[in-house]
Amino acid sequence: NAGVTQTPKFQVLKTGQSMTLQCAQDMNHEYMSWYRQDPGMGLRLIHYSVGAGITDQGEVPNGYNVSRSTTEDFPLRLLSAAPSQTSVYFCASSYGQAVYGYTFGSGTRLTVV
Amino acid sequence: AQKITQTQPGMFVQEKEAVTLDCTYDTSDQSYGLFWYKQPSSGEMIFLIYQGSYDEQNATEGRYSLNFQKARKSANLVISASQLGDSAMYFCAMREVSGYSTLTFGKGTMLLVSP
Repeated sequence: NAGVTQTPKFQVLKTGQSMTLQCAQDMNHEYMSWYRQDPGMGLRLIHYSVGAGITDQGEVPNGYNVSRSTTEDFPLRLLSAAPSQTSVYFCASSYGQAVYGYTFGSGTRLTVV
Repeated sequence: AQKITQTQPGMFVQEKEAVTLDCTYDTSDQSYGLFWYKQPSSGEMIFLIYQGSYDEQNATEGRYSLNFQKARKSANLVISASQLGDSAMYFCAMREVSGYSTLTFGKGTMLLVSP
């Protein structure tokens, strides 16, 4: 049982480049989320999805795009990378009820130069 | 307004002592869940303990317990008999039933356990 798989683990981008962070889960979870973690800021929600075909914005969505065509996959796209997007990105998934916590991927450390 | 407040940026504790990490929350929901996660230096997010808003007893998981005071809206994590491996960042989080039930985090507390 792989849980939540994120790729890549590390990435360096130049300003203006685009890329996609991949996230896949094999637990049949309806809910999936993307967070970014910056020093002193905790984890902030970028985008989330409550099922295939349904996505919405979180607290810090600007500069990011998501789609959810399958239950398993929830990729995060950086449209035109900026140094302010240097961060650690976590994907997480859960069942829909509030009694369930989220299972996290191992994170992607992104540096934009 | 912050929904989850962790007022201790850093805490120090000696090995084998108990430590309490503070967490207060803000919600108008009657039904919600409170979670604590541990993030060691390796970076992964590890689920520690869960408390439901309707649970009458405080949650416990091994050396971890959650001191839940609903009227005060606090959900403090108590670690008994601290170990060197407990040194990590600890995050308090809440999941409300209303809306789309995402997880909202506090800013975290860095715990350092000394020998």
